[in-house]
Amino acid sequence: QTVVTQEPSFSVSPGGTVTLTCGLSSGSVSTSYYPSWYQQTPGQAPRTLIYSTNTRSSGVPDRFSGSILGNKAALTITGAQADDESDYYCVLYMGSVWVFGGGTKLTVL
Amino acid sequence: EVQLVESGGGLVQPGGSLRLSCAASGFTFSSYSMNWVRQAPGKGLEWVSYISSSSSTIYYADSVKGRFTISRDNAKNSLYLQMNSLRAEDTAVYYCARGSPEVPYFDYWGQGTLVTVSS
Repeated sequence: QTVVTQEPSFSVSPGGTVTLTCGLSSGSVSTSYYPSWYQQTPGQAPRTLIYSTNTRSSGVPDRFSGSILGNKAALTITGAQADDESDYYCVLYMGSVWVFGGGTKLTVL
Repeated sequence: EVQLVESGGGLVQPGGSLRLSCAASGFTFSSYSMNWVRQAPGKGLEWVSYISSSSSTIYYADSVKGRFTISRDNAKNSLYLQMNSLRAEDTAVYYCARGSPEVPYFDYWGQGTLVTVSS
C-alpha cells in the first residue's frame, strides 16, 4: 500500500522561509502524480494552494510556491506570516485514486 | 461564486446507513467531476470517492468500497454519497470537493458535514 509522507510538524519564524515536502514510501514523486497542496486551519474547510506541482490556485499569494525537490514534491513559503500557521496537506493522483499525506502542522513563531 | 453545501450528516448506529448530499451552485455542475473527501476527528484528510461529470466513471477508496455509493443528479445540481454498513471508523467530517476538468486536483471545497457512527 502506497503511503504519502509529510513532516508531522515544522516551525518557522515570521518572515522566514520554510519548505514542506511530500514523498512516497516507495519511489519518487514526479509531475505525473500531479501533486497538489491544501491549507487547513482548525474547524475550516481545506483551501487549495497549489496544483499540478507548481501552479498557484486563484488568489493564492506568490509567497507560496510548489516544486519537485529531489524525489519529493515541495511547498515553499517565503516570508512566512502569522496567518500561515495551519495544517498543510499534499495529495498525489495515482491513476484512479488520490492519496493524501498525513499533513504537516506549521507553527509560525 | 462557486458554492458547495453538504447536508445529511448526523448520528447513526454501527451497521446503519446515511445519505449525504452536496448542493452545488455558481458553476455548470454537469461539466465537472466531483469527489467526497473525509476527515476523522483530529486526523488528516482522506479521499473517499470520485464521480465523473456524466457518472460514467466512478472510483472508491479501498476503505469504503462495497459499502459506499457515489451518485449525482445533474438536473438538480446535486452530489450524493450513500453510506451503508457504517463503522465507527467512518466517523468524520465529509467534504464534497469539485474536480478540476484539466488536471486531477480538488479546486473548490464545501464546508463539510459531520457523520458520527456510535451506539
